[in-house]
Amino acid sequence: KQEVTQIPAALSVPEGENLVLNCSFTDSAIYNLQWFRQDPGKGLTSLLLIQSSQREQTSGRLNASLDKSSGRSTLYIAASQPGDSATYLCAVKGNTPLVFGKGTRLSVIA
Amino acid sequence: NAGVMQNPRHLVRRRGQEARLRCSPMKGHSHVYWYRQLPEEGLKFMVYLQKENIIDESGMPKERFSAEFPKEGPSILRIQQVVRGDSAAYFCASSPGQVQPQHFGDGTRLSIL
Repeated sequence: KQEVTQIPAALSVPEGENLVLNCSFTDSAIYNLQWFRQDPGKGLTSLLLIQSSQREQTSGRLNASLDKSSGRSTLYIAASQPGDSATYLCAVKGNTPLVFGKGTRLSVIA
Repeated sequence: NAGVMQNPRHLVRRRGQEARLRCSPMKGHSHVYWYRQLPEEGLKFMVYLQKENIIDESGMPKERFSAEFPKEGPSILRIQQVVRGDSAAYFCASSPGQVQPQHFGDGTRLSIL
């Protein structure tokens, strides 16, 4: 049974810092891994999707990496801004439906 | 191109009533997924449907919950005889195919009095 863990559960950083969010999964037989952002009371916004054959994806200040063999992914956010404050969710897709981690709640302090 | 539309955004029911949650997928998407998010918990898969068929309902409680995705109209998640523990945010997602990215709606927040 696939399990997804995200560390840390919460993170508070001053504006401008670079930061890394971690995601680990127990079953490496995946099709892809997605990072989402969730704002309070809102739905999920897809940030990056990495196919199992890929090592990383980049979008603006965001970079996501995937090491399928070790069951790990990281989301790197460069030059953080207060508008980045949200909960970041990692989800993996294998033969089972999407399995989500509990998320990392990020606060960027101006 | 409208995204995934869920309604209502907020729904209040008394214990024992029925709750109906609706989801209209993105245009061109025939795969619909329902998830539940309990307070301080991650999203948990409930059911996966593809036009008129339930593909995977392994995450659905065995009683009181049902889902459909008719040929015409939105997908419906139905909860009969609601209890306090059903209070949660229910999210719908759609995709054009099984392994393609899922796009999420803003969810329905269900509160049981």
